[in-house]
Amino acid sequence: EVQLVESGGGLVQPGGSLSLSCAASGFSFNTFSMNWVRQAPGKGLEWVSYISSSTTTIYYADSVKGRFTISRDNAKNSLYLQMNSLRDEDTAVYYCARGKIYGVDYWGQGTLVTVSS
Amino acid sequence: QTVVTQEPSFSVSPGGTVTLTCGLSSGSVSSSYYPSWYQQTPGQAPRTLIYNTNTRSSGVPDRFSGSILGNKAALTITGAQADDESDYYCLLYMGGGFWVFGGGTKLTVL
Repeated sequence: EVQLVESGGGLVQPGGSLSLSCAASGFSFNTFSMNWVRQAPGKGLEWVSYISSSTTTIYYADSVKGRFTISRDNAKNSLYLQMNSLRDEDTAVYYCARGKIYGVDYWGQGTLVTVSS
Repeated sequence: QTVVTQEPSFSVSPGGTVTLTCGLSSGSVSSSYYPSWYQQTPGQAPRTLIYNTNTRSSGVPDRFSGSILGNKAALTITGAQADDESDYYCLLYMGGGFWVFGGGTKLTVL
């Protein structure tokens, strides 16, 4: 069974940093691309970042480019998102999601990041 | 900036058929955008219904189907059930490593 479990969310002040993790199991992690998708409270879904299976290709949404860094450790079956210079508008539930033909097929349950003073 | 458009809300009667669409503020959606569809109920993570235009994700009943209709991607639900009442989002790959979700459609079954 495919499982994706995010962790690392919490309350952080504007300008601060936070690191999210996503533990994957039930599939060959090193053969799939991965994504981060977020959802602000009461709002729709927003694609955040993509990383290819071998980490050779990485993309970011303009809203996070230069502030967020996606990475993965295939030996640990884990995906990460390092978030720096956080803003109020980064407050959201962050989901990791497995890539599938330019979409995603499996989602984690999400972790809440709250940016507030 | 291209916007991905969806109907804000839609209603369907139990047992009925409904087609939700996903368009572009400028231009037409084709299979080259690899449209995918997601269902989300309040407080829950999204669930993938369709990817690559018309491929159902694992475990998704065949009441859900994806297609291109005219200049838009479409999600058709046949034999609507009460638990289909959810928010539905489409996702388009815009090329160049850039994906955009539509604003979502709130589907009511009544």
